[in-house]
Amino acid sequence: EVQLVQSGAEVKKPGDSLKISCKISGYSFTMYWIGWVRQMPGKGLEWMGIIHPLDSDTKYSPSFEGQVTISADKSLNTAYLKWNSLTPSDTAIYYCARHSGSYYDFYYYGLDVWGQGTTVTVSS
Amino acid sequence: SYVLTQPPSVSVAPGKTARITCGGNKIGSKSVHWYRQKPGQAPVLVIYYDTDRPSGIPERFSGSNSGNTATLTISRVEAGDEADYYCQVWDSNSDHYVFGIGTKVTVL
Repeated sequence: EVQLVQSGAEVKKPGDSLKISCKISGYSFTMYWIGWVRQMPGKGLEWMGIIHPLDSDTKYSPSFEGQVTISADKSLNTAYLKWNSLTPSDTAIYYCARHSGSYYDFYYYGLDVWGQGTTVTVSS
Repeated sequence: SYVLTQPPSVSVAPGKTARITCGGNKIGSKSVHWYRQKPGQAPVLVIYYDTDRPSGIPERFSGSNSGNTATLTISRVEAGDEADYYCQVWDSNSDHYVFGIGTKVTVL
């Protein structure tokens, strides 16, 4: 069974750093792009970026470029989302999800398997 | 940046047909995906590549895409279809995905 299991909820203070994880099982980690999606309280879905674990090629939404870092560790079958300095506006649920399809045509297939979400709360 | 337009809400009676639109400039030339999200749950892919259904998604869910509008159609609506629905496309000009704002489907 394909599973994306995310790390647990986090409560942080403004200015803190944070790295959340998404551990993949049930398929070869290096086959598919992994993406991150933000959902602020009561709001819609926002696509943040993706990484291909094979070569760590990464694409960011312009809204998130420079604000977060997406990475992957092939040895651990795990993708990460990192902040260097959190602000209250980073309070949200963050989902990882698998982009099915090949390295070059993933955009034809959508996000077919999702993690359960990680709730991040940033408050002083 | 590419913009997708969805109606904020759609209401439909049980057994009827719900149509949720997703507008965008020449969206017919792009591949559109649709997601369903129920409260407190992660989104679920219900349509990809305009018209294809992932395994496990009922045939009541169908999609179309032409010109400047893509449409998700839910036939024979059930109470369990009540959820937020999001469209998504890849913006090849800027190399990133875009989501619509989401449409809340209410079953009367």
